[in-house]
Amino acid sequence: NAGVTQTPKFQVLKTGQSMTLQCAQDMNHEYMSWYRQDPGMGLRLIHYSVGAGITDQGEVPNGYNVSRSTTEDFPLRLLSAAPSQTSVYFCASSYRTQTGELFFGEGSRLTVL
Amino acid sequence: AQKVTQAQTEISVVEKEDVTLDCVYETRDTTYYLFWYKQPPSGELVFLIRRNSFDEQNEISGRYSWNFQKSTSSFNFTITASQVVDSAVYFCALSEAGGGGSQGNLIFGKGTKLSVKP
Repeated sequence: NAGVTQTPKFQVLKTGQSMTLQCAQDMNHEYMSWYRQDPGMGLRLIHYSVGAGITDQGEVPNGYNVSRSTTEDFPLRLLSAAPSQTSVYFCASSYRTQTGELFFGEGSRLTVL
Repeated sequence: AQKVTQAQTEISVVEKEDVTLDCVYETRDTTYYLFWYKQPPSGELVFLIRRNSFDEQNEISGRYSWNFQKSTSSFNFTITASQVVDSAVYFCALSEAGGGGSQGNLIFGKGTKLSVKP
């Protein structure tokens, strides 16, 4: 009963460091996405994927890369972390995009010093 | 462009009061989906309801009810006889079903923080 699994749950980085947030789902969902949540801003879409090998940018893609080599995994990479990327990150998946509910991971809290 | 507005940033009520959370949306599509999610203090996001644009029937689930009005582009959420466990941030979201590569992405409002005091 794993659903959407994100790791790590907490991470502290220094400015300029790189890291990858991992996201895996075991529901055979085609659609996966990454959101960031900041106080007073709601959830904003970073990148999304409608299937293996297909990714696209959301509302706030700068500073982030993604890839989708398998249906199950959708990692989010920060190439050179900046303090502005301090946030809580949520990975989500759904069977269908507009018709299905999004299943969210538990979130990853990232602090960039 | 699609947009979701939750004008109420924070609401505080006393237990057993009824409370309505407002959601106003903007879209040019005729086919779209509206959602409500709950984020309790523990941080996870919990799906509450999905509504498509062709179904304007109000929905009731226990103490929760939703009022969808296309004429005013609103999808309001009412909690009857609120309880302390209802304390959370509630997000309204919109997904368009039209053509184009970004269809289906959920656009969220900024959320309403509900505090229910005993």
